[in-house]
Amino acid sequence: QKEVEQNSGPLSVPEGAIASLNCTYSDRVSQSFFWYRQYSGKSPELIMSIYSNGDKEDGRFTAQLNKASQYVSLLIRDSQPSDSATYLCAVNRYGGATNKLIFGTGTLLAVQP
Amino acid sequence: GAVVSQHPSRVICKSGTSVKIECRSLDFQATTMFWYRQFPKQSLMLMATSNEGSKATYEQGVEKDKFLINHASLTLSTLTVTSAHPEDSSFYICSATGLQGTDTQYFGPGTRLTVL
Repeated sequence: QKEVEQNSGPLSVPEGAIASLNCTYSDRVSQSFFWYRQYSGKSPELIMSIYSNGDKEDGRFTAQLNKASQYVSLLIRDSQPSDSATYLCAVNRYGGATNKLIFGTGTLLAVQP
Repeated sequence: GAVVSQHPSRVICKSGTSVKIECRSLDFQATTMFWYRQFPKQSLMLMATSNEGSKATYEQGVEKDKFLINHASLTLSTLTVTSAHPEDSSFYICSATGLQGTDTQYFGPGTRLTVL
């Protein structure tokens, strides 16, 4: 079982719809969760971090965390063609003096105009 | 806040030469910097973690003598690819943590290395 799992997609949604991206993780002691967006040929860009169970909203983005189910999701409201990118879920793994991010393989989102 | 820069953005070199990539946190002191590599259509692969003034911690399978990392200050880390070969051609990305004491990683724009 991979530490962080995402559906690779592509997830295709029409412009204006809600895109729902899902991620599961295996390490129950994980405390920090992140969503990054990566456009083709570019580096990852932080969308949101979430640490507590429940929802966290930032503009058109809402992150949802359920630690009991080991599940984190990202909702994008009013999807735009410019949202078309790969979305990476990342979970912080703590070990020793430093911690490191464990990334999922990413979900490719395609927003159709 | 949380701006991380990398230089150069793109480099082409001949096989056997060494290439140095700089990573800088512009508006915060980075307690830890990370170096990743990404091949086309693949996910990010962590190469090493570095803390200022300490030796870098390399991931399994990453040759520390080939990928030299120096973290001389809280705002600068460098990655030197020594004796580069075509198979080292990749997208190298650094990230940094330390802004407001959080563990959030902020990524630089990446360096595309092509070894001829």
